[in-house]
Order: sequence, then C-alpha cells, then structure tokens
Amino acid sequence: AQSVTQLGSHVSVSEGALVLLRCNYSSSVPPYLFWYVQYPNQGLQLLLKYTSAATLVKGINGFEAEFKKSETSFHLTKPSAHMSDAAEYFCAVSRGGSYIPTFGRGTSLIVHP
Amino acid sequence: NAGVTQTPKFQVLKTGQSMTLQCAQDMNHEYMSWYRQDPGMGLRLIHYSVGAGITDQGEVPNGYNVSRSTTEDFPLRLLSAAPSQTSVYFCATRRGDGISTEAFFGQGTRLTVV
Repeated sequence: AQSVTQLGSHVSVSEGALVLLRCNYSSSVPPYLFWYVQYPNQGLQLLLKYTSAATLVKGINGFEAEFKKSETSFHLTKPSAHMSDAAEYFCAVSRGGSYIPTFGRGTSLIVHP
Repeated sequence: NAGVTQTPKFQVLKTGQSMTLQCAQDMNHEYMSWYRQDPGMGLRLIHYSVGAGITDQGEVPNGYNVSRSTTEDFPLRLLSAAPSQTSVYFCATRRGDGISTEAFFGQGTRLTVV
C-alpha cells in the first residue's frame, strides 16, 4: 500500500520568507512523486514531479522539491514567498501496479504582507 | 484544446433527487477518475476507469455510479442524493503509458444537497 502524509494542514509565512511544505510517503518500491497546486475555486495543476532522473526537481513559479529516499520525504520549498503563492498544495504518489495516484490531505499556504 | 471539461460548475439538489455530473476530455487519455474534495479530507477517489468499458471503485464509491462508453466521456451519477454528498467534485485524466505521467484536472463541480 502507498500513502502520503502532509505535515501541517495550514502553513503561514510572511511575504519574502522561505516556504517549506512537508510531504512524507510510504512505499515499498521507489515511487513517482508529484506536487500540485490549487488556487481558489479552481482545479489542481501540476507544480513539479519526481521521476528518478534527478533528486532535486525544479517546478513552476520558483518552487522546487528534493527527493530524499533515506527520509522518505519530498518536501516543497521556495526561497521567497509571494502573495500570489497563497493556495492549497497537494503531494501525491504513484508506483507500479497502481493506476491512480494517492493524494495527501493538502496544506493551505497563507502569505501575510 | 479544452482539456478536461466538467459540467455543471454549480448545482443544488434536494435530498433524493438524481443527477449526472459530466466530464469530457479531448486529450485522448486512457485513465479517467472522479474525486471529491471535502475540508480537511483532501481528495478522495470515488471511481476510476483505465479505458472505455472498464471501471473500478475507489476509496468512497457508495452512492455513486459510473460508466465509460467512450474514451472522451466519464459521467458520474448520483442516484439518490444525500446531504453527505455535498462536496466539490473533480474529474481527472492521465495518459496510460506510464505511472510517471501527471494528472490533468477539470475546474470542479460544486454540489450542494439540501
């Protein structure tokens, strides 16, 4: 079985501060990992994905994530938060034998001026 | 390309009524799925399909039916709506040529059952 845990349902940062959203996965085989972003009243869109080509993955809007097998983690970071980054962020995992990815419960990013 | 189109965007139903949420895609993706999103619960899989004529249950299938007669369409049916089905529903598609492919989502249908 595979599962995803996102630590913290809400993360609050000041504009310009570092953004760190945490994601840990449990999988018996190397997984494929994704981060999606959901802006208010919209569907989810892909931010970045890990497919084993490189452990540090760069995505859109200045976000990046690092795959750490020893920690079973795939945390999302951004050096400097913008007001426009305020959204819901979802981590997802898929692996062989599973047609549909499993999503975490989401983390709401709040950015203060 | 329109991508993934969901209709309607908003719907209010009375308890016991039936309705169909529509999902259409023009990307020729094999995999399609329905999720519901509730506060604090994230996305929960209702039903999914890996191709025309093939469907399977997800995590929370009770109260919902699906069918997949074409690659393009994957409707979700509520036979007798209940207040517990008040939620935001998302349809997603994905290419079937590898597990590393990402999902594409529709804009959602916000359903209220009174």
